[in-house]
Order: sequence, then structure tokens, then C-alpha cells
Amino acid sequence: AQTVTQSQPEMSVQEAETVTLSCTYDTSESDYYLFWYKQPPSRQMILVIRQEAYKQQNATENRFSVNFQKAAKSFSLKISDSQLGDAAMYFCAYNDRGGSEKLVFGKGTKLTVNP
Amino acid sequence: KAGVTQTPRYLIKTRGQQVTLSCSPISGHRSVSWYQQTPGQGLQFLFEYFSETQRNKGNFPGRFSGRQFSNSRSEMNVSTLELGDSALYLCASSSGQRGEKLLFGSGTQLSVL
Repeated sequence: AQTVTQSQPEMSVQEAETVTLSCTYDTSESDYYLFWYKQPPSRQMILVIRQEAYKQQNATENRFSVNFQKAAKSFSLKISDSQLGDAAMYFCAYNDRGGSEKLVFGKGTKLTVNP
Repeated sequence: KAGVTQTPRYLIKTRGQQVTLSCSPISGHRSVSWYQQTPGQGLQFLFEYFSETQRNKGNFPGRFSGRQFSNSRSEMNVSTLELGDSALYLCASSSGQRGEKLLFGSGTQLSVL
């Protein structure tokens, strides 16, 4: 079974600084999708970024970018120019190509942004 | 476009009762997934429906069940509630294409007393 591990339960960053959240996963599949979701206090899960495993290029979305290392099974999220609104729980998630949309989530990292 | 709507937002039940949660997906979306979120276990997949058919099921006891209607709205039911069923239940919808982003609702917070 696939597993996703986020080794940092909590992280903090100063406003306008850069922070990197770590994620590793375990799978025997070669083709899959990886996601980062953000969950603010409102509880709604918001997609931050998506990476397709067969694409070598790292995904970027404005201030958010990933470092996808397929051989190492690592998928870290970099947030640049951190803003107060970035404070939330961040979840790394995995989806394989088995015909289902089931996501396997990590335990999450709580990000605090200090003014 | 309206987002994914879950009702009710909060629910308080007692052990042994049953509960039904509702999820209305984004218009045009045919796939609905359900997740349970607890502080201890994190986010766990319950089940997924596509065009009224259950496409996948997580590792939960048979007390947890769901269904999807022809208009793609979905309900999940938990019978014989236990204290450990207290959780945030999240619903997500998508077009059903694999790898498509899931759009989540704000969840139903269930408390079992």
C-alpha cells in the first residue's frame, strides 16, 4: 500500500521569507500524481499544486513550487515571499493511476507565519 | 459556480444512533469522494462514487455506507455510532478524470457523545 510521510509536524516562517515543507512517499507504481493541499482554519481543503510523475519539470503556481525527486520519492513544497494568509495545515497527497481518485494523505504540517 | 456543499456543518449525536451526511458536488462533476479526518488518524479515504456506482472503498467497517443519486449528489450514512466516529467528514468532487484536482467542501463536524 502506498504511504505518504510528512516529517515536520510544525514549521514557522517570517513574513516575506521562504519556507520548504517536506514530503516523502512510498509506491511501487511508476506513474502517479502528487498534490499539496492547504487547510486553513475554515477547514476547507484547497489545492495548492499538482505534479504528474511522468513530467520531469517541477510544477509551479505563483509563489508555490515543488521539488520533485522521483528516484528519491521526495516531493517538497517551497513557499516564497510567505504571507500571513499562508498560515494553515499543509497536506501532501498521492494518487495512482488505478482508475480511482482515492488520495492517500500525509499527516500534515502546520505552518505558522510570523509578522 | 457554486462550490461543493456539505450539510449539515455541525452535528451532535449519541452513541448507537445513526447519521446521514449530504454532499452536493459542483455542477457537472460526476465523481464524489468522502474522507474522514481525525487528529489521531489524519485524513482517511472512505469511498468514491462515480455515476451512481461505488468505484472504490476504504478500510472502514460496514457501518459506514454511501450512495450517489442520478444528479450526482451523495450521502453517507453511519449506523450504530461509536465515540470514535467523532470526526470531520469531508466530501470532494471532480469530473471523474483521473488525476483531476479534487474540490473539497467545508466538511461536516460530527460529535458523538
